[in-house]
Amino acid sequence: DAKTTQPNSMESNEEEPVHLPCNHSTISGTDYIHWYRQLPSQGPEYVIHGLTSNVNNRMASLAIAEDRKSSTLILHRATLRDAAVYYCILRDHSGTASKLTFGTGTRLQVTL
Amino acid sequence: NAGVTQTPKFQVLKTGQSMTLQCAQDMNHNSMYWYRQDPGMGLRLIYYSASEGTTDKGEVPNGYNVSRLNKREFSLRLESAAPSQTSVYFCASSDVFSGARGGNQPQHFGDGTRLSIL
Repeated sequence: DAKTTQPNSMESNEEEPVHLPCNHSTISGTDYIHWYRQLPSQGPEYVIHGLTSNVNNRMASLAIAEDRKSSTLILHRATLRDAAVYYCILRDHSGTASKLTFGTGTRLQVTL
Repeated sequence: NAGVTQTPKFQVLKTGQSMTLQCAQDMNHNSMYWYRQDPGMGLRLIYYSASEGTTDKGEVPNGYNVSRLNKREFSLRLESAAPSQTSVYFCASSDVFSGARGGNQPQHFGDGTRLSIL
């Protein structure tokens, strides 16, 4: 899987939007962009994924740059329960093995 | 709706002892995975099973063996535990492993087994 780059940590105030960036300049045309998060003492949890178009679900929105070299996970109103490590991962869907390769992610702190 | 269940949740072993970590999923998924997570690091893939009857090495397979017992269950065995294997182990499953659908399928994780080897 191609490499992604994320900030080590970010902070947000509760009930404010959070924009978590991810750079993936070597992304290939067959890579999906996946986001997972890991709450303290739990396993990773799937958040959202996309290929080219922006995506929305009940948890978050994913904004993908036109050239696909970067993306942003958007939490519209952060809560204390959103404090977690967020991982941006590229997954190949061209027919070869499709493993998840986790980096160190972005640790999001949410304060009152 | 249990999802992915791992047992035990905690375990302490002495160097040289053996043990098996159990994982079961109730989502009728074809693919299952074992990861380890060390402090301050992301998850690293140990072994995976793309479908029932097949297993393959991941990034860090040394010192481990796996068994895909049936479609639901995927176990991880440490034959002779070493302190370097102290870690949190996560099992995951997904509907499809590879191909166009594989890249589009999320993985579902258990809550982990915290293993300490003295």
